[in-house]
This record gives sequence, structure tokens and C-alpha cells, in this order.
Amino acid sequence: EIVLTQSPATLSLSPGERVTLSCRASQSVSNYLAWYQQKPGQAPRLLIYDASNRATGIPARFSGSGSGTDFTLTISSLEPEDFAVYYCQQRSNWPLSFGGGTKVEIK
Amino acid sequence: EVQLLESGGGLVQPGGSLRLSCAASGFTFSNYAMSWVRQAPGKGLEWVSSINGAGGGTYYADSVKGRSTISRDNSQNTLFLQMNSLRAEDTAVYYCAKVISISNWSPFDYWGQGTLVTVSS
Repeated sequence: EIVLTQSPATLSLSPGERVTLSCRASQSVSNYLAWYQQKPGQAPRLLIYDASNRATGIPARFSGSGSGTDFTLTISSLEPEDFAVYYCQQRSNWPLSFGGGTKVEIK
Repeated sequence: EVQLLESGGGLVQPGGSLRLSCAASGFTFSNYAMSWVRQAPGKGLEWVSSINGAGGGTYYADSVKGRSTISRDNSQNTLFLQMNSLRAEDTAVYYCAKVISISNWSPFDYWGQGTLVTVSS
């Protein structure tokens, strides 16, 4: 089973700041890594798939990079609506797995 | 517009059973693998089970294997999850999710609003 470790667990930031979130896999997942955003009381929303492809309708301030075991989600300039929890997910091997999440909160 | 609408959640005693449903619309349902993902209160996301478009291929998380069965009725555009021998640790919001492209099992570009399953005496 592939374990995804996200860091940090929580980030306290201000609007306008640049954000870098990390996801590390316990073994290579090639580029089969996705990122989701989840706000309280809502279903997750797909942001990035296959490490660096933005999903439909996702603003350009969101970008993803990485391959193998180390991946990054970057938000170039935080907007008020970006404060949420972010999860990574791999589709390289069964079982599919999610990281534990990083909460981006308002400082 | 793609829509996924789950139903069937509720309060059930330990050892009991529930059948979750997910009504899909806005896309050719039979072309896409579908999955169930759950989220325990205050916790992260956990993949539960997936089924291919034709319904002949299925995968399960170890946490539900042997106790749950995923199925689909392509004539009714509906996904199901039959859960038996329920435990307190199965308490969660259960989401159905659609895969982004025909040839893949994930990631998931559309999610339902979720249905809450509570296992308690």
C-alpha cells in the first residue's frame, strides 16, 4: 500500500501570500498524483491531476509539480476563497490512497 | 451538467446493514468507472471501493473487503454500495465520485454531496 504524507499539517497565512504544499509518497507513483481542495461541509474539488494538469475551471494561480515520490502544490497568491484543506491522492497502485491533508488557515 | 446524488445513509446498529445509492445524470454513466470515498467526522478522505463502467471489475479497501459490495445499474444510471456487518469505525460521510476520463479509475472530477452513515447502538 502506498502511503502519502502531506506536510505541513497546518499553514497559517495571509491573503496574497505564496503557498507551497508538499506530498511525499512511500514509493514511486510516477506522475499519477492528484490534488483536491475541500471546504467545510463541502465535497472535495479536483484541482490538479497527473501531477501538473489543472482540472477544468481551476484558476491559473494553482499549479502542481513533481514526479516519483515528491510532489508540490503551489498557490501563487492566496485568495480569500483558497483557505481550505488540501489533499493529495495517488492512482498508481491499488488501493487508491489519499494523504492526510494540509489545512491552509487565515493568519 | 453532471450531478451525483447519494441516498441511503442513516443510523444503524453495529452489525447491521445499509445500501447506499448514487443517482447519476449529465454524462454517459456506463462509460465511466465510479467510486465510493468516505470521510469520518473531522478526519481525512479514505477511498472505499471502485467499479468499472461495465460493472465487471471491482476493487475494495481492506477496511471494507468482505463486508461491502459495490455494484451499478447502468440502465438506471445508479451506483450502489451494500455494506454489511457495520462497525463504529464505518461512521462517515460517504461520497460517490466520477472518474475524470473513460480510460482511468481516478482521479475524481465530480463528487456527490455525500450521505452520512452513523453506526451506533
